[in-house]
Amino acid sequence: DADVTQTPRNRITKTGKRIMLECSQTKGHDRMYWYRQDPGLGLRLIYYSFDVKDINKGEISDGYSVSRQAQAKFSLSLESAIPNQTALYFCATSDTRAGGNTIYFGEGSWLTVV
Amino acid sequence: GESVGLHLPTLSVQEGDNSIINCAYSNSASDYFIWYKQESGKGPQFIIDIRSNMDKRQGQRVTVLLNKTVKHLSLQIAATQPGDSAVYFCAENMDPGGSYIPTFGRGTSLIVHP
Repeated sequence: DADVTQTPRNRITKTGKRIMLECSQTKGHDRMYWYRQDPGLGLRLIYYSFDVKDINKGEISDGYSVSRQAQAKFSLSLESAIPNQTALYFCATSDTRAGGNTIYFGEGSWLTVV
Repeated sequence: GESVGLHLPTLSVQEGDNSIINCAYSNSASDYFIWYKQESGKGPQFIIDIRSNMDKRQGQRVTVLLNKTVKHLSLQIAATQPGDSAVYFCAENMDPGGSYIPTFGRGTSLIVHP
């Protein structure tokens, strides 16, 4: 079983619809992240959370919101999806308690907004 | 702003050759660097890391070199195999107040020809 699980793995939605991507982890890590990947642009940080009550905006947070319901769960919402939010989304976790910050990624969720 | 970038977007090599993937970073405050490998349809996976107090670190068939003077990072893959074909990302981490939020480069596509 994957340590970082994303659902759904693929979704097609219509413009204006609300969509939620969910992420759960079994690694026991304190930090969780949502990244977006577009061709040629690498990985861009949307939101991150250091703990259950902590939410921080990343580089491209506009149009997105997140919820850290528990240490193991971090969901990403698009309140009103638009076509330029079509992308591959990654959830990730990390554990900084040992120093450094190695990110562990999920398998990704393909989102298409039509 | 400061950024992480890659010199070559695509690198083609013959099986058995050594590969060198380069990465330039511009933030002198970065003190921890990681290389990730992303295979088609999968999330990025950790390959090797290096801290700023080191200039070289070796793993299995991979070596990371860090030149802080010119802010340059490289990943060397020995005896490249078809399974090494993937996109490789470098990430720099800063620790302003303990945040250690990584910034990713755009990625280099490595193509290994049999």
